[in-house]
Amino acid sequence: NAGVTQTPKFQVLKTGQSMTLQCAQDMNHEYMSWYRQDPGMGLRLIHYSVGAGITDQGEVPNGYNVSRSTTEDFPLRLLSAAPSQTSVYFCASSPGQYNMNTEAFFGQGTRLTVV
Amino acid sequence: ELKVEQNPLFLSMQEGKNYTIYCNYSTTSDRLYWYRQDPGKSLESLFVLLSNGAVKQEGRLMASLDTKARLSTLHITAAVHDLSATYFCAVEETSGSRLTFGEGTQLTVNP
Repeated sequence: NAGVTQTPKFQVLKTGQSMTLQCAQDMNHEYMSWYRQDPGMGLRLIHYSVGAGITDQGEVPNGYNVSRSTTEDFPLRLLSAAPSQTSVYFCASSPGQYNMNTEAFFGQGTRLTVV
Repeated sequence: ELKVEQNPLFLSMQEGKNYTIYCNYSTTSDRLYWYRQDPGKSLESLFVLLSNGAVKQEGRLMASLDTKARLSTLHITAAVHDLSATYFCAVEETSGSRLTFGEGTQLTVNP
């Protein structure tokens, strides 16, 4: 089982460049989300989606865009990278709010450095 | 806004000892999750607590949830070196599915 797959695993960007972090899940989960992890700050929610065609902002959405055209994919776009976006990014999925089994599954992470 | 606080943030303990990690949260919720993260790795689900009074145990770890006190505990019994990792609690908002994480507890178990 692939579960949640993130690509790339590592990326270095120059300030001002744009890129897309890919996330795909094969568990038919309704809910998908993106987090960033910075030292001493736990995981902070960037954007989330409760189903195809529906997205919403989390705690730290500025500088990021998302879309959800299919149930399986939830890409995260950095519009114009800044050094403050240097972080480890995790994508997660879970069955959805109406399902009692709401355990979230995480991808392996993308370590992004902006220079 | 839901806030989740863990304590301690850093814990160094000897093998064989017992200790408890605490997770407090600020608003009503009856769903809480514990995750483990090894350095450079992703998050691994440990426990899913879905109701008041829920208690789950796996090996040397036991988690409980008191929704009235807005408190969850992760108890470590007779710690071993393999338990060294960072442990996160995450609380699900009642509106559904959004998880708010604590800062994490970095546990080091010394021989």
